[in-house]
Amino acid sequence: GESVGLHLPTLSVQEGDNSIINCAYSNSASDYFIWYKQESGKGPQFIIDIRSNMDKRQGQRVTVLLNKTVKHLSLQIAATQPGDSAVYFCAENRAGRGSNYKLTFGKGTLLTVNP
Amino acid sequence: DAMVIQNPRYQVTQFGKPVTLSCSQTLNHNVMYWYQQKSSQAPKLLFHYYDKDFNNEADTPDNFQSRRPNTSFCFLDIRSPGLGDAAMYLCATALSTGGQPQHFGDGTRLSIL
Repeated sequence: GESVGLHLPTLSVQEGDNSIINCAYSNSASDYFIWYKQESGKGPQFIIDIRSNMDKRQGQRVTVLLNKTVKHLSLQIAATQPGDSAVYFCAENRAGRGSNYKLTFGKGTLLTVNP
Repeated sequence: DAMVIQNPRYQVTQFGKPVTLSCSQTLNHNVMYWYQQKSSQAPKLLFHYYDKDFNNEADTPDNFQSRRPNTSFCFLDIRSPGLGDAAMYLCATALSTGGQPQHFGDGTRLSIL
């Protein structure tokens, strides 16, 4: 389910199921997107990225889909494992001050995998 | 084989006492970033260096400063920490600012007494 306020959106799945984590981005000029995984007490870890000239990219057990029409990004994790439990952030790369691009992070989704 | 190393992992300081957090990288990346992350929130960019060129975010308080003496090291100085500055501070590096993934360290957890 999804929460509002300071609570992270959460997704709870059974081990072995596929997970889909969604993200809406705001700037149609954003041209590069990244998914990060952050485990408790650690820094964000790069999972997969995609450029705006693509609509799908696959990695090992992960797939990122980009829908520029509705400004939506999703991360699919196949055969979810307990080690996948973490907070997942999408990030968009858009122009910042002085034409320096910067990453802007989404609010994050807490994925919990039940054994 | 940590490539972005942050020290210390945990730092405790007193209200108003200056504190410095450090970050080093073995990637030889041009860009180094500092983020602040509070509980259950996304990382928030404070500033970044592209080589020696410093870029501050508009809403970063003056209390936060940074130094980059060479390619490998970058420091975050908090001149007069307040209770609201208690957070995880993340350092990240990238080859360039556009179209390149950022590589994060594991952060320094700062507590204010």
